[in-house]
Amino acid sequence: DTAVSQTPKYLVTQMGNDKSIKCEQNLGHDTMYWYKQDSKKFLKIMFSYNNKELIINETVPNRFSPKSPDKAHLNLHINSLELGDSAVYFCASSLAWGAGNTIYFGEGSWLTVV
Amino acid sequence: GIQVEQSPPDLILQEGANSTLRCNFSDSVNNLQWFHQNPWGQLINLFYIPSGTKQNGRLSATTVATERYSLLYISSSQTTDSGVYFCAVEGGGSYIPTFGRGTSLIVHP
Repeated sequence: DTAVSQTPKYLVTQMGNDKSIKCEQNLGHDTMYWYKQDSKKFLKIMFSYNNKELIINETVPNRFSPKSPDKAHLNLHINSLELGDSAVYFCASSLAWGAGNTIYFGEGSWLTVV
Repeated sequence: GIQVEQSPPDLILQEGANSTLRCNFSDSVNNLQWFHQNPWGQLINLFYIPSGTKQNGRLSATTVATERYSLLYISSSQTTDSGVYFCAVEGGGSYIPTFGRGTSLIVHP
């Protein structure tokens, strides 16, 4: 069983569209994250949720909206996609917030905006 | 927030060579992890090492928290070691895992 799974793995879409990426973890973790990896491989945190509550919201355009229906799921919705949104988006989870636990990553979602 | 710097940015090795990758951080550390991103993009945990030394096969890591650095040693490198190595640090009063920019490793047969 995949511990942290993301769908879709690949997404090609046109500018202006709205899209969602889903993430689920079956590790029983309380904390989940979204990271963006740009073309230079830099991994930057976007959001973090702990027990369905938003605890980190880095400087991200408000076109990006995370939603956590329960602590096992953290979805990312993106409105009005722009060319600069093209990147790899990684979902991750850890046991608990602030406890210095190992972070487990999903396999990434490759988003290309054309 | 905490600053994380990794060196060297790029490394090319012949199979069988040894290497040392470095991660410097700017503040006290609660958590430090090393990851390998393989050529297919998967991020794989290597070590959870906020202090001390750990070994796993040909890989070992040491964190000297008082001097604000961590080292990842790769011995007898193999082509499958190719990829990007990241360290991620939580510290300086923040629980945000902050990544360095990585070391890109290519191992030639």
